[in-house]
Amino acid sequence: EAQVTQNPRYLITVTGKKLTVTCSQNMNHEYMSWYRQDPGLGLRQIYYSMNVEVTDKGDVPEGYKVSRKEKRNFPLILESPSPNQTSLYFCASSDQTLPGTEAFFGQGTRLTVV
Amino acid sequence: SQQGEEDPQALSIQEGENATMNCSYKTSINNLQWYRQNSGRGLVHLILIRSNEREKHSGRLRVTLDTSKKSSSLLITASRAADTASYFCATVVAGKSTFGDGTTLTVKP
Repeated sequence: EAQVTQNPRYLITVTGKKLTVTCSQNMNHEYMSWYRQDPGLGLRQIYYSMNVEVTDKGDVPEGYKVSRKEKRNFPLILESPSPNQTSLYFCASSDQTLPGTEAFFGQGTRLTVV
Repeated sequence: SQQGEEDPQALSIQEGENATMNCSYKTSINNLQWYRQNSGRGLVHLILIRSNEREKHSGRLRVTLDTSKKSSSLLITASRAADTASYFCATVVAGKSTFGDGTTLTVKP
């Protein structure tokens, strides 16, 4: 089954404790992206990757890091989480051989930083 | 501010009625996509319309695109309670994607 898998689904952590949210896709997609969603708002792009070893900043990259060492994985790293990073996070992937084709989303990671 | 902005923010209708939501964007695009999100879950792709298309249909969905006005609309016909969700438009330009703030649709049985 084609899917994007995020882990964990829920996470409560303390300020300053480094964490990683993993994202994996099984569709051989070149393009992967991370978003955060806050109450009443749409998704805001954090980082995206057009291919292995290629990453770019989205609209809200501050406080986040990503890496794309292999095609299927695109982890999101919070080196020193702060309460304003409490949010719902989504990973997505799409096939960029046909620009603008649909993105497949993971089920989300609800992060709380206390 | 967001590239895509939806209007209205919230819409409540009776089952069987049609629902129309609108999206405006600011820059030139190659295509525009609509997504649906059930409460707190991942987004699901509904339909994509390219910049050289004016209208597209998929089942009970009808999407229009007016590039001169930089706007798109999503029409859901004969709505069902199961259509209750949030709907977002999205654009992708050079890899950067932008989502609107969404329209929350409630369909009452």
